[in-house]
Amino acid sequence: AQSVTQLDSQVPVFEEAPVELRCNYSSSVSVYLFWYVQYPNQGLQLLLKYLSGSTLVKSINGFEAEFNKSQTSFHLRKPSVHISDTAEYFCAVVRGGSEKLVFGKGTKLTVNP
Amino acid sequence: EPEVTQTPSHQVTQMGQEVILRCVPISNHLYFYWYRQILGQKVEFLVSFYNNEISEKSEIFDDQFSVERPDGSNFTLKIRSTKLEDSAMYFCASSRLAGDPYEQYFGPGTRLTVT
Repeated sequence: AQSVTQLDSQVPVFEEAPVELRCNYSSSVSVYLFWYVQYPNQGLQLLLKYLSGSTLVKSINGFEAEFNKSQTSFHLRKPSVHISDTAEYFCAVVRGGSEKLVFGKGTKLTVNP
Repeated sequence: EPEVTQTPSHQVTQMGQEVILRCVPISNHLYFYWYRQILGQKVEFLVSFYNNEISEKSEIFDDQFSVERPDGSNFTLKIRSTKLEDSAMYFCASSRLAGDPYEQYFGPGTRLTVT
C-alpha cells in the first residue's frame, strides 16, 4: 500500500526566511503527487501537483516542489515566506489507476514576524 | 469561485445513534469522495462515488457506513450506529473527472464528536 511520510510535524520560521517541508512516499510504478494547504477553519486546498513532465512544479504564490524519483521525495520549498503562509501543509499521493488520495500527517508551518 | 460546502460544521451525537453528514459538491463535478481525519492522525480515504455507485472504498468503510446522492446537489455520508472511534473530522471532496488529473476540491469539514 502507498504511504507518505512528512518528517516534520511543526516548522517555525521567521518572515522572509526560506523554508523546506519534506515529503517522502513509498515507491510505486506510477504515482501522482500533490501538496494541499489548510488554513485555519478552512478545507484542504490544492497548492500544486506533479503528474508528468518537468519534475519542478510551481504554485502561483511562490511555492515549488521537485519530484525526485530516485529519492522518492517531493519536498516543498519557498525562498521567502510571508505571515500569510502560516497553515498546515499536507503531501499526498495517488497511485495510477486509483482515485484514492493517500496523505501524510501534515506539517504545521508557522511564520513569525 | 465555486466551492464544496458541508453541514453541519460540528455534530455531537451519542454512541449508537445514526448520523448523516451532508455535502454539496461543486455543481458540474461528477466524482465525489469522503475522507476523515481522526485527531492527530492522517487524513484517510473512505469512499469514492460516481454515477450513483461506489467506485472505490477503503477497509474503514464497512457496513456501518453508506453514501447516497439523494438529489442532484447533495452527497451524504451516513453512519448507522456511531462508535466512539468514529469521532473525527469528515471531509467531502469532488472532482470533475477522475482523469482530470485527480484534482479533488475539498469542503471545510464536519467535526463529528461521539460521546
